[in-house]
Amino acid sequence: NAGVTQTPKFRILKIGQSMTLQCAQDMNHNYMYWYRQDPGMGLKLIYYSVGAGITDKGEVPNGYNVSRSTTEDFPLRLELAAPSQTSVYFCASRSQGPKLFFGSGTQLSVL
Amino acid sequence: GQQVMQIPQYQHVQEGEDFTTYCNSSTTLSNIQWYKQRPGGHPVFLIQLVKSGEVKKQKRLTFQFGEAKKNSSLHITATQTTDVGTYFCAGLSNAGGTSYGKLTFGQGTILTVHP
Repeated sequence: NAGVTQTPKFRILKIGQSMTLQCAQDMNHNYMYWYRQDPGMGLKLIYYSVGAGITDKGEVPNGYNVSRSTTEDFPLRLELAAPSQTSVYFCASRSQGPKLFFGSGTQLSVL
Repeated sequence: GQQVMQIPQYQHVQEGEDFTTYCNSSTTLSNIQWYKQRPGGHPVFLIQLVKSGEVKKQKRLTFQFGEAKKNSSLHITATQTTDVGTYFCAGLSNAGGTSYGKLTFGQGTILTVHP
């Protein structure tokens, strides 16, 4: 199993550009999450999904959108990139148990 | 909303010294998890505590959950250079309703171990 795979690993965007961060898991997990990590701030939940077709907002959803058309994929969309969205983004998944499995992250800079 | 505070933010130790990080929640928790993130890496699950007053050990790591289920600690005995990284606590609220596993993470403690 590859686990949780995130692409790209690094990306630089200009203000106002759009992009999609990809996340895929091959563990058949129902629960998937998107977090952003800023220095000294821990991880903040952006969006989450409890299964295909079901998504909901987390703590910091503004400026982002998600979709969950399949169990495996949970892409995160940035429509109009802003400097405040410069961060490291982690996708995570879990089964019914508590353990979160994280992807390797996407480092995004908005200039 | 729920807040989870973690201290200290940074800790520098000499190899062989002990290390402790503390986690405090503004609300009663259903459970608390601990994660370790190596420099440049992603968080990796260490353990979950569920019961009031629970203590669990993993080799040199000791995890405690407070009696009121609002605080927790991670203690590392005789640190090694391999312990370097950021340690996060993450709490699951005990509030009514379904939480869907939405964890609230502390800010993390960055541990540096000097050889």
